[in-house]
Amino acid sequence: DSGVTQTPKHLITATGQRVTLRCSPRSGDLSVYWYQQSLDQGLQFLIQYYNGEERAKGNILERFSAQQFPDLHSELNLSSLELGDSALYFCASSVAGDLTGEQFFGPGTRLTVL
Amino acid sequence: AQKITQTQPGMFVQEKEAVTLDCTYDTSDPSYGLFWYKQPSSGEMIFLIYQGSYDQQNATEGRYSLNFQKARKSANLVISASQLGDSAMYFCAMRGNSGNTPLVFGKGTRLSVIA
Repeated sequence: DSGVTQTPKHLITATGQRVTLRCSPRSGDLSVYWYQQSLDQGLQFLIQYYNGEERAKGNILERFSAQQFPDLHSELNLSSLELGDSALYFCASSVAGDLTGEQFFGPGTRLTVL
Repeated sequence: AQKITQTQPGMFVQEKEAVTLDCTYDTSDPSYGLFWYKQPSSGEMIFLIYQGSYDQQNATEGRYSLNFQKARKSANLVISASQLGDSAMYFCAMRGNSGNTPLVFGKGTRLSVIA
């Protein structure tokens, strides 16, 4: 158990809908990262937050947004969903000041868009 | 920009044998970190081993060792004494410069351990 929690574990929805994925980082970790794992694109970085502020942006679509709250949990919002958004979404967290940069991954949320 | 290349989509190894999973990387950052993660069929990402670009010695963690050749920009994972439970996808990843930066992943190698 990495200490990172993600809910829900599975999500099935229809095209055009909006969903919210939730992540709680390990206690004390200030950085939260969101990754998307799909069959065709592999594991891709979406967005990073550090202590409530957006730190880095990767291949995140405009239909997707995220935020990190004062208690450091984070939410990833996916809207106008398309079939191609079906994927495993991971949240990871890391310790501030840890030069190794080891990231601890949550169990993932498997999103299926029908 | 950073790039990770894993050229072996799939590998087979006999139980109790050693296996090497290849990983090459490309970066212009003077300082970086290299990681290996294991993803079993259940889907979770399990951290295996880390190598810093300035580390003088190759990293080892139990049955896992990282064969780091900086000049060749390679960071191969060696698993000794393979076990059936080692069957999984293995991802090589890197981050640049500082600790709090996103990881860039390779496409992975699927390892199958045969009894």
